[in-house]
Amino acid sequence: AQKITQTQPGMFVQEKEAVTLDCTYDTSDQSYGLFWYKQPSSGEMIFLIYQGSYDEQNATEGRYSLNFQKARKSANLVISASQLGDSAMYFCAMREYISNFGNEKLTFGTGTRLTIIP
Amino acid sequence: SAVISQKPSRDICQRGTSLTIQCQVDSQVTMMFWYRQQPGQSLTLIATANQGSEATYESGFVIDKFPISRPNLTFSTLTVSNMSPEDSSIYLCSAVSSGETQYFGPGTRLLVL
Repeated sequence: AQKITQTQPGMFVQEKEAVTLDCTYDTSDQSYGLFWYKQPSSGEMIFLIYQGSYDEQNATEGRYSLNFQKARKSANLVISASQLGDSAMYFCAMREYISNFGNEKLTFGTGTRLTIIP
Repeated sequence: SAVISQKPSRDICQRGTSLTIQCQVDSQVTMMFWYRQQPGQSLTLIATANQGSEATYESGFVIDKFPISRPNLTFSTLTVSNMSPEDSSIYLCSAVSSGETQYFGPGTRLLVL
């Protein structure tokens, strides 16, 4: 079963508009975390934002915010006032804890290719 | 945040040969990982590099094909052995300290002819 689902393979958004990238996840664990990474054409993975399962407030980092709806198991990324430089692949990932010693692993979604139109 | 470097950044190799990729972190970290990203695909975890012991491999990946070393808390290598064109991918190293963000290196683009 897919643990992380990103249903939007591609999105086109006008510059300066806000955009929401969808992410749903599946886990029976109580403790987990959700990440969003940006991958430009250069290939590097750039960390954007993190939400822990016990965090009550939605995470925000500058123009990025994470709309965390725990009961619905969704962790959508919202980018406000989009810029041309936001054009990239965006990956949602879930952190699972493997043991009591802090071991962890990340599982990634299939990604959404975001294109900002001038 | 940890700064991670990888060498080489890219390479073109002949089938049947092996390539070793190095990953260096600028601070001591708890865990290091190796991922593969095949063309147009998402990231897949190859293994967790354990300091001073054998790596923990994910299903579908074996030590004979992807031997990994981690001699200390800041350095790891991944070898892609007996390469075939299907091994053409981006290989990414990542690192994390307990409870912190998992950061990635810039990746190694490998093309196997």
